[in-house]
Amino acid sequence: RKEVEQDPGPFNVPEGATVAFNCTYSNSASQSFFWYRQDCRKEPKLLMSVYSSGNEDGRFTAQLNRASQYISLLIRDSKLSDSATYLCVVIPVNSGNTPLVFGKGTRLSVIA
Amino acid sequence: DGGITQSPKYLFRKEGQNVTLSCEQNLNHDAMYWYRQDPGQGLRLIYYSQIVNDFQKGDIAEGYSVSREKKESFPLTVTSAQKNPTAFYLCASGMTVGTEAFFGQGTRLTVV
Repeated sequence: RKEVEQDPGPFNVPEGATVAFNCTYSNSASQSFFWYRQDCRKEPKLLMSVYSSGNEDGRFTAQLNRASQYISLLIRDSKLSDSATYLCVVIPVNSGNTPLVFGKGTRLSVIA
Repeated sequence: DGGITQSPKYLFRKEGQNVTLSCEQNLNHDAMYWYRQDPGQGLRLIYYSQIVNDFQKGDIAEGYSVSREKKESFPLTVTSAQKNPTAFYLCASGMTVGTEAFFGQGTRLTVV
């Protein structure tokens, strides 16, 4: 099982739709989780951290399910500008000195 | 402006030549990273550094070398031993290894 797995998509959704992505991770000791956004031919940018209690930032909601070892990202009221690849990122162990591990990303296209 | 600067943005080299990619940060971050991204693929870790004068191999270190003589700088040398050097190279930094990372704009290296 790969450390971090994502459905590659693409997810093609109309403007205004709600879309959700899941990401599974293999190391049950993982403590830190993030979602990054990457536009075509650009660098990844931090979208949001994922906390145990879940967190929301405007139209974006991230949740963590430790029992099933997955994190999710929900985007409500999709905008054309949300079109990008969304990368799930996990820090595998709670040692404080392990680099981030990136999933391969889920591609989202929001269509007018 | 605070941030991470990679240069150059585009780089072309002949096969068999070594090439050095620059990465500078003024965020006072201890941790720095180099990732490689191939078309349609995820980010793969080449090297990372937790602190000045220290660095560790990532998943695909063969054919690459780094140095960390200053906190602000983490240059990557792509040597002639790297069999498939053409890729998008991303430098990142973070407060420490094991926290979220922030990326430079990347260098697209093409070896012909």
